[in-house]
Amino acid sequence: DGGITQSPKYLFRKEGQNVTLSCEQNLNHDAMYWYRQDPGQGLRLIYYSQIVNDFQKGDIAEGYSVSREKKESFPLTVTSAQKNPTAFYLCASTPDRANTDTQYFGPGTRLTVL
Amino acid sequence: GENVEQHPSTLSVQEGDSAVIKCTYSDSASNYFPWYKQELGKRPQLIIDIRSNVGEKKDQRIAVTLNKTAKHFSLHITETQPEDSAVYFCAARFDGNEKLTFGTGTRLTIIP
Repeated sequence: DGGITQSPKYLFRKEGQNVTLSCEQNLNHDAMYWYRQDPGQGLRLIYYSQIVNDFQKGDIAEGYSVSREKKESFPLTVTSAQKNPTAFYLCASTPDRANTDTQYFGPGTRLTVL
Repeated sequence: GENVEQHPSTLSVQEGDSAVIKCTYSDSASNYFPWYKQELGKRPQLIIDIRSNVGEKKDQRIAVTLNKTAKHFSLHITETQPEDSAVYFCAARFDGNEKLTFGTGTRLTIIP
């Protein structure tokens, strides 16, 4: 299960605040992904990045932002524009753009807006 | 875009019996179909996958079948055990696309 880590495990935020979720991997993977998991809705893609300094919007990018300044790190910022941010957030990585079959997931961060 | 439907959303099976979860996909060009298992409070993990040039794949008690004509694929778990209790997700990927599209998940409960 090692190789990709997320912190913190639990995060509480007041309405109107931005918050950043950390995702780090030491697998030397090129591609990284952020998913949101809600009960009964499976995993929905927020953003993904194939290489450093490049990223693309997923299916539900509104209210989120990301950066990819280092290969190992892909932090996700949940902004105050996200209307319903309470959810479980999962980060994942795959070896490279040509090998995106197996996605390795981090342990997740549970965000609760108070 | 790709759409993946998964059924049932919940499934209870007596220990030792078989469990079957089915997914349908919309894009006929999809070529890769993985299944993930997520135990309570843990991360999803790949348990088996299949490509469009194969009709069936088996790994011990777990098997996946693919029907390209009907655009559906299924997960089969035989001789179920309590540790099989988890949420299972199917997914599909369109050829050349870096993204996976996930189903909505099936909560499988094995009754001792």
